[in-house]
Parts: sequence; C-alpha cells; structure tokens
Amino acid sequence: GQNIDQPTEMTATEGAIVQINCTYQTSGFNGLFWYQQHAGEAPTFLSYNVLDGLEEKGRFSSFLSRSKGYSYLLLKELQMKDSASYLCAVRDPVNSGYSTLTFGKGTMLLVSP
Amino acid sequence: SQTIHQWPATLVQPVGSPLSLECTVEGTSNPNLYWYRQAAGRGLQLLFYSIGIDQISSEVPQNLSASRPQDRQFILSSKKLLLSDSGFYLCAWSLEGGGGNTIYFGEGSWLTVV
Repeated sequence: GQNIDQPTEMTATEGAIVQINCTYQTSGFNGLFWYQQHAGEAPTFLSYNVLDGLEEKGRFSSFLSRSKGYSYLLLKELQMKDSASYLCAVRDPVNSGYSTLTFGKGTMLLVSP
Repeated sequence: SQTIHQWPATLVQPVGSPLSLECTVEGTSNPNLYWYRQAAGRGLQLLFYSIGIDQISSEVPQNLSASRPQDRQFILSSKKLLLSDSGFYLCAWSLEGGGGNTIYFGEGSWLTVV
C-alpha cells in the first residue's frame, strides 16, 4: 500500500518562495506527481519525477529523493493566483500494463499581498 | 490534442435515487480511464479504473458501479444513492500502459445527496 504525508496548510506572501514537502511510504515506486487544484476545480498536472533530483518548469520546481521517500514542490515569485491546494501523488507499481495514482490529502497554500 | 469532458457539472439528488455521471475522452484511442471521488476534507479516492471496454476494476466496495460501453466513454452509476455519496467526482484518463503516463482530469461533477 501507499502512505503519503504533506502539510495541511501553508501561508506565504506575494513575491516570496515557498516549499511544500511530501513524504511517502510505498510498497513499490513508479514515479511521483504534483498537481494544483483551485477551489471547486479539477486538479491540473504540474510535474512528474521518477529519478532523483530537481525538475524545473518556470516558477515551479519539483525535487525527488527516492532513498528518503521525499519530494518537495518549490514555488518562486509567488502570485495571488498560486493560492490553491497542491496534491502530491505516487504512482502505484505497474500491474498487468496499468498503474494508478494514490494521492495525498493536499496542502492548501494561501498567498497574501 | 486530447480532451476530456464529464457531465453534469452539478446535481442535487435525493437519498435513494439513481445516479449517472458520464465522461468522454477525445483525441486518443484505448485510454486508461478512472473515476475518483473527493469528499470534503479528504484526499482523492480512486473508485474505478478501466484499461479497455468492459474491463473495469473496483478499488472500494460500495453502492457505485462503473461501465465502459465504448472505448472512450466511462459511466459512473448508482441504483440508490446514500448521503455518504456526496462529493466531487472526477473522471480522468491516461495513455494506455502503466509507466510514467500522466493522469489528466475532467472538469468534475459536484454531487449533493439530500
């Protein structure tokens, strides 16, 4: 099975940098995803890590350490529109040609002026 | 490009009434399809997934069922809704196969059982 932990809430100021952590315990690992979900909307894909290290995409970066069962999402130059829930998800081991995602409960980020 | 659409966007149903949520994917063939539920204060819970027509697996025993009558159509149903079925239902798709394929979500359907 999978167990995913991330902080429930975080606050930050516009223009600042924030790091959202995610730890996981899994019976197998096949990649880690980050999604952004604005209130009342569906999650949208942000990043995918399968190897150790940092993946950068504009203002957003995601880091993975498989040996530590740890990932973080780094958001730079925060904007008000970044206020949302950020979901960490681990891909379950592949079984018969398919696999699914197990999601954490999400971290609600509030960006203030 | 691929698109996913689900409907209805919102519905209010009385306890004991039936349910049907529909989802279609365009721009790809033989996708993997998923139904997730997000209850208030809880994470996304996988309900069903499908790797092909009439090939559906259930993750959580409940009074919901899923069907895939066509390659790119996925339907979530219930014969008799319970209050606990209220939540945000999300259809999703990914490319066939398992490794590294991102899951993309539809717009979601808000269900309130009263």
